[in-house]
Amino acid sequence: ILNVEQSPQSLHVQEGDSTNFTCSFPSSNFYALHWYRWETAKSPEALFVMTLNGDEKKKGRISATLNTKEGYSYLYIKGSQPEDSATYLCASPAGGNQFYFGTGTSLTVIP
Amino acid sequence: SAVISQKPSRDICQRGTSLTIQCQVDSQVTMMFWYRQQPGQSLTLIATANQGSEATYESGFVIDKFPISRPNLTFSTLTVSNMSPEDSSIYLCSVPQGPYGYTFGSGTRLTVV
Repeated sequence: ILNVEQSPQSLHVQEGDSTNFTCSFPSSNFYALHWYRWETAKSPEALFVMTLNGDEKKKGRISATLNTKEGYSYLYIKGSQPEDSATYLCASPAGGNQFYFGTGTSLTVIP
Repeated sequence: SAVISQKPSRDICQRGTSLTIQCQVDSQVTMMFWYRQQPGQSLTLIATANQGSEATYESGFVIDKFPISRPNLTFSTLTVSNMSPEDSSIYLCSVPQGPYGYTFGSGTRLTVV
């Protein structure tokens, strides 16, 4: 079992603010780190797949970094908008198809 | 990537009853996965459904409680049997997308009263 943790559990920000949250995972036997965005009543949507130490990925106003040596990834949202409100999940595979998910960070952007 | 249709999207059920959740994939896939997210908890893998063989259950989950069918390569069902309030969760089916992780259904939000 892989212990994947996310913080904070929930976050409220004002529209236009930038924010970030953390995913931590065991640094030994690392394969990859996945970020998903999950809006209520919708399917979780894949945001990033990160594999290399120092990876930085960007998709519009959302970006992510990866540190495999210390076992953490940051997700950043620049200039938050109400449509960014969702739960952001990270997951790490333990080999094969078994993924271990964090509990998620619930983001609410207040207009 | 695959598209998954999951039904029902939500239900409120009486304790002691059973609910069957269906997932239909728009392409043939070898493996389908069933997850559960209890309130405040992580998404947790219940079982892997393989076509033509019995499902493989993770520790803490048993076939009598969560029977799974996989009649072909595009369809699977998960039944939550003899429900109790502790079964109130979001249930998700998913299929692997190689290096891109998983594609998920839209989830079934179950409340047991």
